[in-house]
Amino acid sequence: EPEVTQTPSHQVTQMGQEVILRCVPISNHLYFYWYRQILGQKVEFLVSFYNNEISEKSEIFDDQFSVERPDGSNFTLKIRSTKLEDSAMYFCASRPDRSITGELFFGEGSRLTVL
Amino acid sequence: GQQVMQIPQYQHVQEGEDFTTYCNSSTTLSNIQWYKQRPGGHPVFLIQLVKSGEVKKQKRLTFQFGEAKKNSSLHITATQTTDVGTYFCAEGGSEKLVFGKGTKLTVNP
Repeated sequence: EPEVTQTPSHQVTQMGQEVILRCVPISNHLYFYWYRQILGQKVEFLVSFYNNEISEKSEIFDDQFSVERPDGSNFTLKIRSTKLEDSAMYFCASRPDRSITGELFFGEGSRLTVL
Repeated sequence: GQQVMQIPQYQHVQEGEDFTTYCNSSTTLSNIQWYKQRPGGHPVFLIQLVKSGEVKKQKRLTFQFGEAKKNSSLHITATQTTDVGTYFCAEGGSEKLVFGKGTKLTVNP
């Protein structure tokens, strides 16, 4: 069964360092997302991406964050200068189309620990 | 933005007992989705409800969407230890999903 894959599964970094989290969405999906989940809390929307541009972003997604689809398969989330409060699980998700109905397919997540 | 409130935050049951989690909104929801997240896992889609008053069943799980489309519930009959995890409702009225805070279910064998 097709799945969303994410790397790395866990990254430890020093505060102020840049981090890139990578995702390979399901191949025929058109809509991509990043969500984050601080330990024990809810799943929070960060950004959605469609047709090679950001479709929507939350207030969490400030200038320190960026997303990119550098080739036909990868979808990346970059945090330019990490802060302690960026420590969380980051989930990539994809959806076949822009319909407001239909499930999101989540990857297994990348755990980011900022020291 | 759209907010969905979910209660209870935690629920501990004995195996075999029933479990219900509720999702409420102050405004009409276009659709509601339910996800399950196992401990240490990622959210996995369970069901989507779109129509007013809709009821869907998956084995021991029953999902309801209120007549006014402002609330939804997930009911598990005769819980099993495999049901442990956090159950999230998510409002999907726009291109993104907005998740509730979830109900964490623990089951005592």
